[in-house]
Amino acid sequence: AQTIHQWPVAEIKAVGSPLSLGCTIKGKSSPNLYWYWQATGGTLQQLFYSITVGQVESVVQLNLSASRPKDDQFILSTEKLLLSHSGFYLCAWSQGGDSDYTFGSGTRLLVI
Amino acid sequence: SQWGEENLQALSIQEGEDVTMNCSYKTYTTVVHWYRQDSGRGPALIILIRSNEREKRSGRLRATLDTSSQSSSLSITAAQCEDTAVYFCAPDSGYNKLTFGKGTVLLVSP
Repeated sequence: AQTIHQWPVAEIKAVGSPLSLGCTIKGKSSPNLYWYWQATGGTLQQLFYSITVGQVESVVQLNLSASRPKDDQFILSTEKLLLSHSGFYLCAWSQGGDSDYTFGSGTRLLVI
Repeated sequence: SQWGEENLQALSIQEGEDVTMNCSYKTYTTVVHWYRQDSGRGPALIILIRSNEREKRSGRLRATLDTSSQSSSLSITAAQCEDTAVYFCAPDSGYNKLTFGKGTVLLVSP
């Protein structure tokens, strides 16, 4: 069975500090991977997607970047956090096509 | 760009009642996902309906899809307290972009 793991579970960071969030998928070869951001009480906004190692496409610009260094790993990062980066970050995978997305448990980020 | 949009933002019902949530979208899609999100957790798929299905059932859930009117609905029969959650529709625009609607907060009271 496939599992998706996100780390860390939660972070409190200072404005201007760097950030790195991780996501690992086990039990699935060559998954499509996605990063979403959700403001408190808001909807999910897609940030990035990746269909293969080393290839990442940006969907919206939020002063964030993403990388896929391994087939099963997806990283979200920034060098300088903004207050607006606070929220809930979710990683998801799918088999591609019109298949469903499976989400991780998320990382809650508070920027102060 | 394509998006999903629920017509109702919050619903409060009593246990045992039926409820329907509607979703309209702007551009062509052949697949609509419905997810529920419990507090503090990631969304989980509850129904995925394709254009050739028009209606799909899963237990007490029923989803419909009308591609001519670009709308979808999710109905819950005999709602229970554990159905309390936020429900999102997400039309699949293809090209690895799944856009979520604003969501409907459903509160089911005993």
